[in-house]
Amino acid sequence: DAGITQSPRYKITETGRQVTLMCHQTWSHSYMFWYRQDLGHGLRLIYYSAAADITDKGEVPDGYVVSRSKTENFPLTLESATRSQTSVYFCASRSLGSSYNEQFFGPGTRLTVL
Amino acid sequence: AQSVTQLDSQVPVFEEAPVELRCNYSSSVSVYLFWYVQYPNQGLQLLLKYLSGSTLVKGINGFEAEFNKSQTSFHLRKPSVHISDTAEYFCAVSDSNYQLIWGAGTKLIIKP
Repeated sequence: DAGITQSPRYKITETGRQVTLMCHQTWSHSYMFWYRQDLGHGLRLIYYSAAADITDKGEVPDGYVVSRSKTENFPLTLESATRSQTSVYFCASRSLGSSYNEQFFGPGTRLTVL
Repeated sequence: AQSVTQLDSQVPVFEEAPVELRCNYSSSVSVYLFWYVQYPNQGLQLLLKYLSGSTLVKGINGFEAEFNKSQTSFHLRKPSVHISDTAEYFCAVSDSNYQLIWGAGTKLIIKP
């Protein structure tokens, strides 16, 4: 019963490098989400996906790329990391049948961009 | 567009005292409301939710929340807090596009 996992849990990188954060869920949930959490901002939606090969922008998508070739995986890529992308990143999922949008969260990835 | 306001960024309270964490949302025809809890260095976990029916909702760990449609509020309460309740609490509302709109969070600080 793994649920939703994220890797790595901690990552330090340098400005300009490409970084990919992984998210994997074992529930076969249709929807998956990426959020970033920063002090004073709560959670902000970066991208979401309604199903494999269907993705859409959230509130703060600039500088990020996502893909979803398989239902269970939803990687988030920072193509050229910037210091402003230092944050804690959370992946979440919910089932298609959840009409009220209860989401289940991974443990998070703490990313530091130097 | 929906919005959620958590009026307090931090709430300090003595152990075994009652606590209320406030949440207000912008009005909508119908809403689904949630409280999530985030313990230190962990992900978010659902504490309770209001979908319909009774306005008093009970959640895990002795927490409850009351939906007040006229005041567009969904305040979280616990009659007696413990040191283990130290965490950040997030209020969220589901909008018409089935996205979750989040408040900025309230840190509950338990004083021994």
